[in-house]
Amino acid sequence: QQPVQSPQAVILREGEDAVINCSSSKALYSVHWYRQKHGEAPVFLMILLKGGEQKGHEKISASFNEKKQQSSLYLTASQLSYSGTYFCGTETGANNLFFGTGTRLTVIP
Amino acid sequence: DGGITQSPKYLFRKEGQNVTLSCEQNLNHDAMYWYRQDPGQGLRLIYYSQIVNDFQKGDIAEGYSVSREKKESFPLTVTSAQKNPTAFYLCASSPTAWGAEAFFGQGTRLTVV
Repeated sequence: QQPVQSPQAVILREGEDAVINCSSSKALYSVHWYRQKHGEAPVFLMILLKGGEQKGHEKISASFNEKKQQSSLYLTASQLSYSGTYFCGTETGANNLFFGTGTRLTVIP
Repeated sequence: DGGITQSPKYLFRKEGQNVTLSCEQNLNHDAMYWYRQDPGQGLRLIYYSQIVNDFQKGDIAEGYSVSREKKESFPLTVTSAQKNPTAFYLCASSPTAWGAEAFFGQGTRLTVV
């Protein structure tokens, strides 16, 4: 039931853009995105509900294609603070949140 | 302040011993979860609970047990049957409704020697 994320790792220079993908084999109610710094708890970024909506906050946005059971996280003009591991979490029913294996993002000067 | 608390932060145990990890929340959330994280790995679901006195197995429940006697508390016991218990354990909670943000505790790093 674990969603699949790609790529597994990416290295960016400051100012570059990145896309992280998340896909599921099951119909999704929602997709969650979190970022985790090393040794810390994951921090919530955003939730996308079924309906194909797109959300964004400053330079981080995401889309959710309900029909394809896929979501993508877009990071534009990356900053050093964006470094961390990004996880997507998927809900196929109420209260059964499953996370992907994560994408390690490293932003270098 | 509302939040979710895990204790202890670091835990050492001898092989063959059972150990219980604490998770308490004061957010009035119905759903609670336990995840295991290994170095460089994702979050794998161990158990989850949607309501008091009820819980469901996740992907890697073997060697673990839980209880949900109170809404605020969801302790995880790592039993001696768990073959490789050394890992970082994260507890989370969320409201009942789907599509709600999950809040994570700070985690417990368990080392079995």
